Amino acid sequence: DAGVIQSPRHEVTEMGQEVTLRCKPISGHDYLFWYRQTMMRGLELLIYFNNNVPIDDSGMPEDRFSAKMPNASFSTLKIQPSEPRDSAVYFCASRRDSFYGYTFGSGTRLTVV
Amino acid sequence: EDQVTQSPEALRLQEGESSSLNCSYTVSGLRGLFWYRQDPGKGPEFLFTLYSAGEEKEKERLKATLTKKESFLHITAPKPEDSATYLCAVQMRGSQGNLIFGKGTKLSVKP
Repeated sequence: DAGVIQSPRHEVTEMGQEVTLRCKPISGHDYLFWYRQTMMRGLELLIYFNNNVPIDDSGMPEDRFSAKMPNASFSTLKIQPSEPRDSAVYFCASRRDSFYGYTFGSGTRLTVV
Repeated sequence: EDQVTQSPEALRLQEGESSSLNCSYTVSGLRGLFWYRQDPGKGPEFLFTLYSAGEEKEKERLKATLTKKESFLHITAPKPEDSATYLCAVQMRGSQGNLIFGKGTKLSVKP
């Protein structure tokens, strides 16, 4: 079991550019979550999927953020256009069903300059 | 508003000096409380899940307990390798699995 795999590990981009973060959940896990972590606000839920269907996207900050899960083994989080205040560590996590702890990926550290 | 508050924000201990971390929560209905450990540059690592008041879970030098309003993570005779940020999270009754996280307690254990 390779765990939850995120790419890239680090991303530095200029304001206004499009950024795409990628996640491969653990095989057999039905839930996938995208979180953002900052020093000020801690871990914040952005969106989560169940069986590839978005369930709750109320945490997505604004229309610049979008997420997709085209199949059970892949998800993307896109920011277009990016802004400096989007700088944070973005984590993807998956879980087997609604009653178990998450397994987190190693995160993507995004810096927007 | 549903909230999870952890205290203290930071804790410095000498090796072997036992202590406790606190996680207090105000949610409309608790389905489960989770503890995670996070090392610098890594994602949170799952430690425990507690489901009902009075429940306790242990793993090596860590013991988690749960009441109706708070949870404690007791660290007995800590070692430097226990240094990390410890995160608490709650899942509300009726939710499909999303967790609300506290901001964590950063633990430093000096030899």
